[in-house]
Amino acid sequence: DGGITQSPKYLFRKEGQNVTLSCEQNLNHDAMYWYRQDPGQGLRLIYYSQIVNDFQKGDIAEGYSVSREKKESFPLTVTSAQKNPTAFYLCASSHTASLTGTYGYTFGSGTRLTVV
Amino acid sequence: SQQGEEDPQALSIQEGENATMNCSYKTSINNLQWYRQNSGRGLVHLILIRSNEREKHSGRLRVTLDTSKKSSSLLITASRAADTASYFCAPVTGNQFYFGTGTSLTVIP
Repeated sequence: DGGITQSPKYLFRKEGQNVTLSCEQNLNHDAMYWYRQDPGQGLRLIYYSQIVNDFQKGDIAEGYSVSREKKESFPLTVTSAQKNPTAFYLCASSHTASLTGTYGYTFGSGTRLTVV
Repeated sequence: SQQGEEDPQALSIQEGENATMNCSYKTSINNLQWYRQNSGRGLVHLILIRSNEREKHSGRLRVTLDTSKKSSSLLITASRAADTASYFCAPVTGNQFYFGTGTSLTVIP
């Protein structure tokens, strides 16, 4: 079955550590996205990528980094510069950025990151 | 940004009743999409309505769009306990869209 997989489901980070969240899709989608969701709040866009080897900052990119070396993969690194990283992180993909408005996003199940 | 704003923030109904959620937005759109999120899970695409459509149905879901008022509504008929979730609208302009804070729906068995 085609889908988008995020791992791990739960992640704990110590102060000062960098951690990487995985996002893999086998839908042959060109565009991929990372969102952050805090309790009682909507989704905020961190980074997005429309094609391989290219990505753009979203609304809250500070303290995060991404790479897009393969079409199927869009990992997100939460760096020590992100002062409040505890949140629920959602990865999404779509056919192409230009068709997102037609087909919508497919979301992964999310990774809950907690700073300990 | 073109963020959807859902209303009410929370809604609690008895099983079998209808649930109506509203969405307002600020600028012209190409289409508007509704998503559902179960607690601790990702969002699931429910339905898309284009800017030239006024009403669309999908099973127990009915979506309306009024571009003159820049608003949309999602109606879930004959609700079930399994409909308990958060519902988000996403007005689409260009290649990206922004989710609001959602409506939290609780259906009481």
